[in-house]
Amino acid sequence: GESVGLHLPTLSVQEGDNSIINCAYSNSASDYFIWYKQESGKGPQFIIDIRSNMDKRQGQRVTVLLNKTVKHLSLQIAATQPGDSAVYFCAERNRDDKIIFGKGTRLHILP
Amino acid sequence: GAVVSQHPSWVICKSGTSVKIECRSLDFQATTMFWYRQFPKQSLMLMATSNEGSKATYEQGVEKDKFLINHASLTLSTLTVTSAHPEDSSFYICSAREGTSNQPQHFGDGTRLSIL
Repeated sequence: GESVGLHLPTLSVQEGDNSIINCAYSNSASDYFIWYKQESGKGPQFIIDIRSNMDKRQGQRVTVLLNKTVKHLSLQIAATQPGDSAVYFCAERNRDDKIIFGKGTRLHILP
Repeated sequence: GAVVSQHPSWVICKSGTSVKIECRSLDFQATTMFWYRQFPKQSLMLMATSNEGSKATYEQGVEKDKFLINHASLTLSTLTVTSAHPEDSSFYICSAREGTSNQPQHFGDGTRLSIL
């Protein structure tokens, strides 16, 4: 069946360093992927997306990489700040045009 | 930007009562709305999808008689948890999309439901 998962439940990063959050997906037919940030007690916030015809997309301080060969997605956050502390979810749009979420990675920023 | 508002943000009620959660799109017309449930330290699980004026489509394992969804207008969808029990306690999040699947999906800030 379809599933989107994450390798690490928790990631601790020194403030100022770069963060890399990974995600594996199983549905090779997925054509659209999204990264969300969720702060405590709030709904998910869109960060960046990428379509399957691309392998890299950059935003402000964030980069998403897509490797369709191994069905792997990553989110890179440059110069991590305290405000980046949150749970990050990768998600995919399935063939029914629904957004399906992965398990989530908690990003913890060390002072 | 597009805003999705949920009300209430937090509700506590006794076991056996029914609870209604509202989801509104404030500055766009939500052709399609989605309801998710999130248990502590877990991911968002899609419960159902509703299109304005049509019956909701429920995901496998979600009881339609337990979670009543109404999407009567292009700016409002409601989720009613009927005869709620402690195991229904969760964080319920709605999402709305205007037009086709190529349009972005906007999320509300969730409703924390606690059943005593």
